[in-house]
Amino acid sequence: EAEVAQSPRYKITEKSQAVAFWCDPISGHATLYWYRQILGQGPELLVQFQDESVVDDSQLPKDRFSAERLKGVDSTLKIQPAELGDSAMYLCASSPWRGRSPDNEQFFGPGTRLTVL
Amino acid sequence: LAKTTQPISMDSYEGQEVNITCSHNNIATNDYITWYQQFPSQGPRFIIQGYKTKVTNEVASLFIPADRKSSTLSLPRVSLSDTAVYYCLVPGKSGGGADGLTFGKGTHLIIQP
Repeated sequence: EAEVAQSPRYKITEKSQAVAFWCDPISGHATLYWYRQILGQGPELLVQFQDESVVDDSQLPKDRFSAERLKGVDSTLKIQPAELGDSAMYLCASSPWRGRSPDNEQFFGPGTRLTVL
Repeated sequence: LAKTTQPISMDSYEGQEVNITCSHNNIATNDYITWYQQFPSQGPRFIIQGYKTKVTNEVASLFIPADRKSSTLSLPRVSLSDTAVYYCLVPGKSGGGADGLTFGKGTHLIIQP
């Protein structure tokens, strides 16, 4: 069964350092999402791509976060500089659908656990 | 904005049927209701989705009354492995990206022996 891949699984960094997370969605999936999940909370959407285009990044802290999906396949989320409050699980999900669809099932990866010291 | 409200936590015992109810008073006419399950240190997993009446799959059933202002996820004969957080999602007009799907805090279900 095809899965969403993410790396690294765990990352420890010091504040003010730069970190990057990678996501490889299920082959053929047009839409890719990055979520941040703080312990005890539900996932919060940071950015949504359709193919290589950003369709929503309204919740992305653009002063320090950036995301790209250059060829419309895999994606990278970067934080520079990292802050203590960025400690969280970063989840990537993909969906075969383009645009808003009533049965838009999202397939999630295992996540990257970030700890900022 | 279609906001969902569900219990923060529930507990039950192995072999019991568990029902988790979610309220979504402002659901739009065309919107579906989706439920996800999340185990610790894993990404959420799609469980079931429905529009009205009843939907059943190999994992759960989803009951939606005629006014669609609430929905109930039913897990038959739960086991210890069903201990997880369950999220009810309904699209909203803001947040949640182009799809409008926003995760709340979910319901933490604890199954005891």
